[in-house]
Amino acid sequence: KQEVTQIPAALSVPEGENLVLNCSFTDSAIYNLQWFRQDPGKGLTSLLLIQSSQREQTSGRLNASLDKSSGRSTLYIAASQPGDSATYLCAVSRNYQLIWGAGTKLIIKP
Amino acid sequence: DTGVSQDPRHKITKRGQNVTFRCDPISEHNRLYWYRQTLGQGPEFLTYFQNEAQLEKSRLLSDRFSAERPKGSFSTLEIQRTEQGDSAMYLCASSLLPGQGHNEQFFGPGTRLTVL
Repeated sequence: KQEVTQIPAALSVPEGENLVLNCSFTDSAIYNLQWFRQDPGKGLTSLLLIQSSQREQTSGRLNASLDKSSGRSTLYIAASQPGDSATYLCAVSRNYQLIWGAGTKLIIKP
Repeated sequence: DTGVSQDPRHKITKRGQNVTFRCDPISEHNRLYWYRQTLGQGPEFLTYFQNEAQLEKSRLLSDRFSAERPKGSFSTLEIQRTEQGDSAMYLCASSLLPGQGHNEQFFGPGTRLTVL
């Protein structure tokens, strides 16, 4: 059974710092991995999708990596801003279903 | 706006009442998914449709839950005889088929259900 874990559960850093969020999964037989952002009480915004055959994806200040053999993904955020404050969730896909971590709540202090 | 939409955004109901939620996917997407999310947790898969066919249901989807996608476009999720444990955010997502677009799922804003 696939299990997805995100560490840490919460993170608070000063504005301007670079930071890394971690996601681990137990079954390497995945189709893809997605990183999402969720603002309080709101829906989910897709940030990056990495295919199982890919190693990383970049979008602006965000870079996501995937290492299937070790069951890990990281989301790197460069030059953090207060507007980056949100919960970040990773989800792995096999066929139709996304299996989710519980998220990392990120607070960027001005 | 061509994203996924959900209606209503919020629903407060009394225990024992029936509720129905609607999801309108991105128009060219064949697949439509329902998830449920409780506070502090990641979403949990409930069910999904490919066109009008419901292809998979989680065991989380008790007999009180029913979902439809009658014409392969919008979908409804009905909860009968609501219980306080049904209080959650209900999320809808849609995607192309895996061979068409990497199965990337796009989410709506969710419907927050509160059962009193």
